[in-house]
Amino acid sequence: QKEVEQDPGPLSVPEGAIVSLNCTYSNSAFQYFMWYRQYSRKGPELLMYTYSSGNKEDGRFTAQVDKSSKYISLFIRDSQPSDSATYLCAMSEFSQNFVFGPGTRLSVLP
Amino acid sequence: DARVTQTPRHKVTEMGQEVTMRCQPILGHNTVFWYRQTMMQGLELLAYFRNRAPLDDSGMPKDRFSAEMPDATLATLKIQPSEPRDSAVYFCASGLQGNTEAFFGQGTRLTVV
Repeated sequence: QKEVEQDPGPLSVPEGAIVSLNCTYSNSAFQYFMWYRQYSRKGPELLMYTYSSGNKEDGRFTAQVDKSSKYISLFIRDSQPSDSATYLCAMSEFSQNFVFGPGTRLSVLP
Repeated sequence: DARVTQTPRHKVTEMGQEVTMRCQPILGHNTVFWYRQTMMQGLELLAYFRNRAPLDDSGMPKDRFSAEMPDATLATLKIQPSEPRDSAVYFCASGLQGNTEAFFGQGTRLTVV
Protein backbone atom coordinates (compact mmCIF):
# COMPACT_ATOMS: atom_id res chain seq x y z
CA GLN A 1 0.00 0.00 0.00
CA LYS A 2 1.35 3.41 -0.97
CA GLU A 3 1.69 6.05 1.70
CA VAL A 4 -0.67 8.41 -0.17
CA GLU A 5 -3.47 7.15 -2.40
CA GLN A 6 -5.35 9.16 -4.98
CA ASP A 7 -7.77 8.15 -7.72
CA PRO A 8 -5.89 8.84 -10.98
CA GLY A 9 -9.04 9.55 -12.98
CA PRO A 10 -9.46 10.87 -15.56
CA LEU A 11 -12.39 12.82 -14.18
CA SER A 12 -14.53 14.68 -16.71
CA VAL A 13 -17.13 17.22 -15.63
CA PRO A 14 -19.18 19.88 -17.42
CA GLU A 15 -18.30 23.52 -16.93
CA GLY A 16 -19.90 24.93 -13.79
CA ALA A 17 -19.94 21.62 -11.92
CA ILE A 18 -18.63 21.14 -8.39
CA VAL A 19 -15.55 18.95 -8.41
CA SER A 20 -14.45 16.81 -5.48
CA LEU A 21 -10.90 15.47 -5.41
CA ASN A 22 -9.70 13.21 -2.62
CA CYS A 23 -6.65 11.57 -1.09
CA THR A 24 -6.21 9.01 1.64
CA TYR A 25 -3.03 8.40 3.57
CA SER A 26 -1.61 5.92 6.03
CA ASN A 27 0.86 7.94 8.12
CA SER A 28 -0.96 9.42 11.10
CA ALA A 29 2.01 11.71 11.78
CA PHE A 30 1.26 13.83 8.70
CA GLN A 31 0.14 17.29 9.73
CA TYR A 32 0.90 19.51 6.72
CA PHE A 33 -1.36 19.06 3.70
CA MET A 34 -1.15 20.70 0.33
CA TRP A 35 -2.80 20.62 -3.06
CA TYR A 36 -0.80 21.31 -6.19
CA ARG A 37 -2.09 21.86 -9.70
CA GLN A 38 -0.03 20.69 -12.66
CA TYR A 39 -0.80 21.68 -16.22
CA SER A 40 0.44 19.49 -19.03
CA ARG A 41 4.22 19.70 -19.48
CA LYS A 42 4.58 22.18 -16.63
CA GLY A 43 5.81 21.98 -13.07
CA PRO A 44 3.35 21.67 -10.17
CA GLU A 45 2.16 24.93 -8.57
CA LEU A 46 0.75 25.30 -5.08
CA LEU A 47 -3.01 25.79 -4.83
CA MET A 48 -3.90 25.31 -1.18
CA TYR A 49 -2.13 24.60 2.07
CA THR A 50 -3.69 23.38 5.33
CA TYR A 51 -2.12 22.62 8.67
CA SER A 52 -3.72 19.84 10.74
CA SER A 53 -7.47 19.26 10.53
CA GLY A 54 -10.12 21.66 9.32
CA ASN A 55 -11.27 23.58 6.28
CA LYS A 56 -9.71 26.35 4.28
CA GLU A 57 -11.34 28.35 1.53
CA ASP A 58 -9.75 30.43 -1.21
CA GLY A 59 -12.08 31.72 -3.89
CA ARG A 60 -13.61 28.77 -5.70
CA PHE A 61 -11.37 26.28 -3.90
CA THR A 62 -11.97 24.64 -0.53
CA ALA A 63 -9.56 22.23 1.14
CA GLN A 64 -10.69 19.88 3.89
CA VAL A 65 -8.61 17.69 6.17
CA ASP A 66 -10.02 14.92 8.34
CA LYS A 67 -7.10 13.50 10.28
CA SER A 68 -9.26 11.00 12.15
CA SER A 69 -10.14 9.36 8.84
CA LYS A 70 -6.77 10.12 7.19
CA TYR A 71 -8.68 11.73 4.34
CA ILE A 72 -8.26 15.06 2.59
CA SER A 73 -10.40 16.71 -0.08
CA LEU A 74 -10.25 19.58 -2.52
CA PHE A 75 -13.51 21.06 -3.78
CA ILE A 76 -13.70 23.27 -6.83
CA ARG A 77 -16.89 25.29 -7.26
CA ASP A 78 -18.11 26.62 -10.59
CA SER A 79 -15.42 24.68 -12.40
CA GLN A 80 -13.93 26.25 -15.53
CA PRO A 81 -12.16 24.74 -18.55
CA SER A 82 -9.01 26.47 -17.26
CA ASP A 83 -9.19 24.17 -14.21
CA SER A 84 -8.38 21.22 -16.47
CA ALA A 85 -5.12 19.87 -15.08
CA THR A 86 -3.71 17.17 -12.84
CA TYR A 87 -4.25 17.77 -9.13
CA LEU A 88 -1.67 16.40 -6.73
CA CYS A 89 -2.12 16.12 -3.01
CA ALA A 90 1.01 16.31 -0.87
CA MET A 91 1.58 15.86 2.82
CA SER A 92 4.32 15.87 5.39
CA GLU A 93 5.04 15.35 9.05
CA PHE A 94 7.26 18.43 9.05
CA SER A 95 6.93 21.60 7.05
CA GLN A 96 8.97 20.39 4.05
CA ASN A 97 9.92 17.11 2.45
CA PHE A 98 6.46 16.23 1.20
CA VAL A 99 5.08 12.91 -0.05
CA PHE A 100 2.95 13.37 -3.14
CA GLY A 101 -0.06 11.42 -4.29
CA PRO A 102 -0.07 10.12 -7.90
CA GLY A 103 -2.43 12.88 -9.05
CA THR A 104 -5.97 13.03 -10.45
CA ARG A 105 -6.39 14.21 -14.03
CA LEU A 106 -9.37 16.56 -14.35
CA SER A 107 -11.06 17.72 -17.54
CA VAL A 108 -13.69 20.45 -17.40
CA LEU A 109 -15.68 20.42 -20.61
CA PRO A 110 -17.09 23.68 -22.04
CA ASP B 1 10.84 37.33 -12.62
CA ALA B 2 11.41 34.96 -9.68
CA ARG B 3 11.26 31.39 -10.86
CA VAL B 4 13.20 28.15 -10.76
CA THR B 5 15.12 27.58 -13.97
CA GLN B 6 16.03 24.11 -15.17
CA THR B 7 18.27 23.14 -18.06
CA PRO B 8 18.06 21.39 -20.41
CA ARG B 9 14.29 21.18 -20.91
CA HIS B 10 14.65 18.01 -22.96
CA LYS B 11 17.42 15.46 -23.17
CA VAL B 12 17.67 12.31 -25.26
CA THR B 13 20.70 10.17 -24.60
CA GLU B 14 21.94 6.67 -25.15
CA MET B 15 22.14 4.11 -22.40
CA GLY B 16 25.45 4.31 -20.57
CA GLN B 17 26.00 8.01 -21.15
CA GLU B 18 26.37 10.57 -18.38
CA VAL B 19 23.52 13.01 -17.94
CA THR B 20 23.76 16.28 -16.04
CA MET B 21 20.69 18.33 -15.18
CA ARG B 22 20.99 21.84 -13.78
CA CYS B 23 18.76 23.97 -11.62
CA GLN B 24 18.91 27.61 -10.64
CA PRO B 25 16.75 28.09 -7.54
CA ILE B 26 14.89 31.30 -6.80
CA LEU B 27 17.32 33.87 -5.43
CA GLY B 28 17.29 33.78 -1.64
CA HIS B 29 15.74 30.34 -1.32
CA ASN B 30 17.85 28.09 0.90
CA THR B 31 16.11 24.75 0.31
CA VAL B 32 16.34 22.85 -2.96
CA PHE B 33 14.53 19.65 -3.90
CA TRP B 34 15.00 17.18 -6.74
CA TYR B 35 11.95 15.14 -7.77
CA ARG B 36 11.38 12.55 -10.46
CA GLN B 37 7.97 12.10 -12.07
CA THR B 38 6.82 9.03 -14.01
CA MET B 39 3.40 7.75 -14.95
CA MET B 40 3.89 4.65 -12.83
CA GLN B 41 5.39 6.16 -9.67
CA GLY B 42 4.16 9.73 -9.75
CA LEU B 43 6.31 12.40 -8.13
CA GLU B 44 9.11 10.97 -6.02
CA LEU B 45 11.57 12.91 -3.90
CA LEU B 46 15.15 12.06 -4.83
CA ALA B 47 17.09 14.48 -2.63
CA TYR B 48 16.94 17.81 -0.92
CA PHE B 49 19.41 20.39 0.28
CA ARG B 50 19.32 23.13 2.86
CA ASN B 51 21.92 25.87 2.78
CA ARG B 52 23.71 23.77 0.14
CA ALA B 53 24.10 20.77 2.48
CA PRO B 54 22.36 17.50 1.58
CA LEU B 55 19.66 16.73 4.17
CA ASP B 56 18.09 13.67 2.62
CA ASP B 57 19.08 11.71 -0.46
CA SER B 58 17.50 8.42 0.54
CA GLY B 59 15.25 8.47 -2.52
CA MET B 60 18.17 8.44 -4.91
CA PRO B 61 19.90 5.33 -6.31
CA LYS B 62 23.36 5.96 -4.93
CA ASP B 63 25.25 3.80 -7.39
CA ARG B 64 24.44 5.98 -10.38
CA PHE B 65 22.87 9.22 -9.16
CA SER B 66 24.60 12.14 -7.49
CA ALA B 67 23.33 15.56 -6.48
CA GLU B 68 25.36 18.60 -5.53
CA MET B 69 25.10 22.32 -4.92
CA PRO B 70 28.39 23.88 -6.01
CA ASP B 71 27.02 27.25 -4.92
CA ALA B 72 23.77 28.80 -3.76
CA THR B 73 22.65 29.56 -7.31
CA LEU B 74 23.23 26.14 -8.86
CA ALA B 75 22.08 22.61 -8.09
CA THR B 76 23.06 19.65 -10.26
CA LEU B 77 21.75 16.14 -10.64
CA LYS B 78 23.95 13.65 -12.45
CA ILE B 79 23.23 10.16 -13.67
CA GLN B 80 26.18 7.98 -14.65
CA PRO B 81 25.71 5.60 -16.35
CA SER B 82 22.16 6.32 -17.50
CA GLU B 83 19.68 3.51 -18.09
CA PRO B 84 16.34 3.37 -19.96
CA ARG B 85 14.48 3.08 -16.64
CA ASP B 86 15.79 6.56 -15.75
CA SER B 87 13.51 8.04 -18.43
CA ALA B 88 11.26 10.49 -16.60
CA VAL B 89 10.68 14.17 -15.97
CA TYR B 90 13.04 15.54 -13.34
CA PHE B 91 11.85 18.54 -11.39
CA CYS B 92 13.81 20.90 -9.24
CA ALA B 93 11.97 22.97 -6.63
CA SER B 94 13.14 25.59 -4.18
CA GLY B 95 11.77 27.13 -1.02
CA LEU B 96 12.58 28.88 2.20
CA GLN B 97 13.27 26.98 5.41
CA GLY B 98 10.14 26.94 7.56
CA ASN B 99 7.93 27.90 4.61
CA THR B 100 5.69 25.13 3.34
CA GLU B 101 5.57 26.20 -0.29
CA ALA B 102 8.00 24.76 -2.81
CA PHE B 103 8.28 26.45 -6.20
CA PHE B 104 8.83 24.06 -9.06
CA GLY B 105 10.78 24.52 -12.25
CA GLN B 106 9.50 23.43 -15.65
CA GLY B 107 11.33 20.14 -15.47
CA THR B 108 13.86 18.27 -17.59
CA ARG B 109 12.30 15.56 -19.73
CA LEU B 110 14.89 12.78 -19.97
CA THR B 111 14.70 9.94 -22.44
CA VAL B 112 17.33 7.22 -22.30
CA VAL B 113 17.33 4.94 -25.34
